[in-house]
Amino acid sequence: KAGVTQTPRYLIKTRGQQVTLSCSPISGHRSVSWYQQTPGQGLQFLFEYFSETQRNKGNFPGRFSGRQFSNSRSEMNVSTLELGDSALYLCASSFRGLAGVSTDTQYFGPGTRLTVL
Amino acid sequence: AQTVTQSQPEMSVQEAETVTLSCTYDTSENNYYLFWYKQPPSRQMILVIRQEAYKQQNATENRFSVNFQKAAKSFSLKISDSQLGDTAMYFCAFMKAAGNKLTFGGGTRVLVKP
Repeated sequence: KAGVTQTPRYLIKTRGQQVTLSCSPISGHRSVSWYQQTPGQGLQFLFEYFSETQRNKGNFPGRFSGRQFSNSRSEMNVSTLELGDSALYLCASSFRGLAGVSTDTQYFGPGTRLTVL
Repeated sequence: AQTVTQSQPEMSVQEAETVTLSCTYDTSENNYYLFWYKQPPSRQMILVIRQEAYKQQNATENRFSVNFQKAAKSFSLKISDSQLGDTAMYFCAFMKAAGNKLTFGGGTRVLVKP
């Protein structure tokens, strides 16, 4: 099985712009979670999508949003970029069974490195 | 809210030796999962090992094993016969059952020396 893929791998943007990151989960996985990794704050949970619905949300401002498509692919959008948004954005997929109960491990993609100038 | 603490920012070990990484967590949940992930310089986060809280038996995966002490809320990782490819950041993570949200510790950098 192919692993989790993320595109693009690297992005450079300027303050005030917006950006969209994409994540394709492992085939058969229906849950996609997003994490932000920075040297100062470490790894922080952004949100999770399952069956095209946001199921969990971390403590991030409304500038951070996401969506999930019917094929389970997910996109994350950050509007009005700030310097502090520079980070590695990781996406992870898991099966999350029929009842939506999570008993499965999250598998991570290679990440998108976002630099805001 | 859950918290995960890794008290060792950095550790070094000689090739073929054993190293143990510490992790403690705080939670009021009874059903949960614990993980160790490895992040090498390539930045790809790789699952090392997983432990279900309801299982008393410690998980093992080849050279990697854990010491899970539920009452003490401790979850240490032992790497045996260390190899150069084990050089990486190691993150301990907590997930409550049916939560699907990982809470990570700050990480421990492991350097395996030849």
